[in-house]
Amino acid sequence: LAKTTQPISMDSYEGQEVNITCSHNNIATNDYITWYQQFPSQGPRFIIQGYKTKVTNEVASLFIPADRKSSTLSLPRVSLSDTAVYYCLVGAADSNYQLIWGAGTKLIIKP
Amino acid sequence: DGGITQSPKYLFRKEGQNVTLSCEQNLNHDAMYWYRQDPGQGLRLIYYSQIVNDFQKGDIAEGYSVSREKKESFPLTVTSAQKNPTAFYLCATADEGGYEQYFGPGTRLTVT
Repeated sequence: LAKTTQPISMDSYEGQEVNITCSHNNIATNDYITWYQQFPSQGPRFIIQGYKTKVTNEVASLFIPADRKSSTLSLPRVSLSDTAVYYCLVGAADSNYQLIWGAGTKLIIKP
Repeated sequence: DGGITQSPKYLFRKEGQNVTLSCEQNLNHDAMYWYRQDPGQGLRLIYYSQIVNDFQKGDIAEGYSVSREKKESFPLTVTSAQKNPTAFYLCATADEGGYEQYFGPGTRLTVT
């Protein structure tokens, strides 16, 4: 199972774009990259998922280079409510649905 | 209203007692999971089930037990054999493919 490495914490300001990078050097061919957001005392919430290149939805973009050894979650124009822990996961259904959750990146948005 | 229900939200028990945490879903998902989260840490997989009447141990199954008699329900029992049971417990489901997991609100268990 692939492991991921993320920064422990990041700070930014309201209105800025925030990029969180995740390293996954041992990603397997079948693995997808998924990002979740978690607020205190709540379950994680799915943000975005991708396999290669770029994926965009209404809340974020995910950039994946050709070698897929890293990925970057981009949050445009953050607000105070984006203060949360962000997890990067890699995994595939054929790994018996097992995903390895790291400690995530604690993002603090300041006014 | 589709979703995952975990009850209760807070649970207090004395050491030596078994306790069962409830997880119910109406998303019609086959796969269900139980995770444990300690302060400042990521999630650790306790048990998972891909289908009714079948379940597999995760990374930290010792001291826990589960059952999957119905598709909708995946209760977790924290036994007295679990040395450090105080934690935040999260139940999740996944649709076909298992790429996206949906989480319940969690149960915070405190054992004293």
